[in-house]
Amino acid sequence: GAGVSQSPSNKVTEKGKDVELRCDPISGHTALYWYRQSLGQGLEFLIYFQGNSAPDKSGLPSDRFSAERTGGSVSTLTIQRTQQEDSAVYLCASSSRTKRDQETQYFGPGTRLLVL
Amino acid sequence: GESVGLHLPTLSVQEGDNSIINCAYSNSASDYFIWYKQESGKGPQFIIDIRSNMDKRQGQRVTVLLNKTVKHLSLQIAATQPGDSAVYFCAEIVYDKVIFGPGTSLSVIP
Repeated sequence: GAGVSQSPSNKVTEKGKDVELRCDPISGHTALYWYRQSLGQGLEFLIYFQGNSAPDKSGLPSDRFSAERTGGSVSTLTIQRTQQEDSAVYLCASSSRTKRDQETQYFGPGTRLLVL
Repeated sequence: GESVGLHLPTLSVQEGDNSIINCAYSNSASDYFIWYKQESGKGPQFIIDIRSNMDKRQGQRVTVLLNKTVKHLSLQIAATQPGDSAVYFCAEIVYDKVIFGPGTSLSVIP
C-alpha cells in the first residue's frame, strides 16, 4: 500500500485479556516505531525496530508489553493481561533511513484500544 | 520512554489570520527538528523540517523558525484555513533519539 497501515482500527477488550496490534509499514522502510497516545496528550515512545531487531525497547511501560517484527516488514505489539490504563491510541510509524531518526517518520492511523 | 503527559495547550485563531505555534525544546545538542500535524482520528503527518544549521525554512503557507540561543522552535501558518484545525507537534532529534513535544491544539474560527 501507499502508506502505513494498522489493524484493527478499534479494539475493545476486557481487563485481563491479551491483545495483539498489527502494523504494516511502507514497503522498503527499514525502521519501524511504536508510540502510545492517551486522550488529549502527546506521543509516548514505546519501541523502535531497525530491520527485525529492536535496539531500543526503553519505552515499553512494563513486561506485559512486547513487540516483534518479522521479515523486516510487519510488526505486532502484544499487550498481555490488559489493564484499564492501557486504553489509548497505539500509533505505528516507519521511515526509510538506516540510521534512526535521520528521516521523517510516516505514521499509520493508529489502533484505538479500550480496556473495560 | 519519552513521556509527554501534559494536557494540550490550545490556540484559537480567526480564519484568514496568521497562526504561530511555539515549541520549547529540551536539548541544546538537538540537530534536527520536525513539525507534525495530527487531525482528529488520524496519525501525525509531516509538515516541515529544519536542520540546526538553519534558522528559517519556508514551505507552502508554513514557515518554521529556529532560535538555538533560547531553544525555541515556532511554526507559522499564513492565512489560516478551517482545514488547518488539528494538533501540532514539534519533534527534536538528538543523539539518534526523537523527542516529541506535548502538542498544541489549533482551532480555526470560521
